[in-house]
Amino acid sequence: AQSVTQPDIHITVSEGASLELRCNYSYGATPYLFWYVQSPGQGLQLLLKYFSGDTLVQGIKGFEAEFKRSQSSFNLRKPSVHWSDAAEYFCAVVFTGGGNKLTFGTGTQLKVEL
Amino acid sequence: ETGVTQTPRHLVMGMTNKKSLKCEQHLGHNAMYWYKQSAKKPLELMFVYSLEERVENNSVPSRFSPECPNSSHLFLHLHTLQPEDSALYLCASSQTPPGTSGGAGALGEQFFGPGTRLTVL
Repeated sequence: AQSVTQPDIHITVSEGASLELRCNYSYGATPYLFWYVQSPGQGLQLLLKYFSGDTLVQGIKGFEAEFKRSQSSFNLRKPSVHWSDAAEYFCAVVFTGGGNKLTFGTGTQLKVEL
Repeated sequence: ETGVTQTPRHLVMGMTNKKSLKCEQHLGHNAMYWYKQSAKKPLELMFVYSLEERVENNSVPSRFSPECPNSSHLFLHLHTLQPEDSALYLCASSQTPPGTSGGAGALGEQFFGPGTRLTVL
């Protein structure tokens, strides 16, 4: 069955530390991959997306993500976290051939300690 | 106004009430979406409208009734809701390139509104 998994419900990092949020999917082909961020009281904002090509994708706010086909993963990274990065992060996938709908993971809540 | 706006931002209603959620997009997009976001659950796609026609209805109960009078406006009419319908309802819009038949390029990047926090008593 097609699915998206974000294994970490909560993550706490210190300001200035590096960050990696995990996302795994289950699908027989390569899907289209997205990361969204949701700040409190706000809607979702697209950070970055991967359709094809270079597997290392640069996004806004200093984020990047790497697609690893062998691991069915699309982990989000940031080298140095800022307090304003505290938010909830969602991995989302379009399973091509499945109606082109966005399927979201359950989200990872990021807390940044000063 | 810019982007995608939603009103009201907060709504409390009884199970016998009738209310409507409104979404407006100022981006010139041709597709609009309703999502439901419940605690500890993934976002659930409810409805998709493309060029003002409903193209997706994910087995949503009939107590939720969408309406898309034009490409800029989307409503979600609510009646006889249940407490389990309490959630954050998000609207989104995207630009679907004409003539595309599939793939995320056809889906288009989705821009989200801030949501309506609905509480059903």
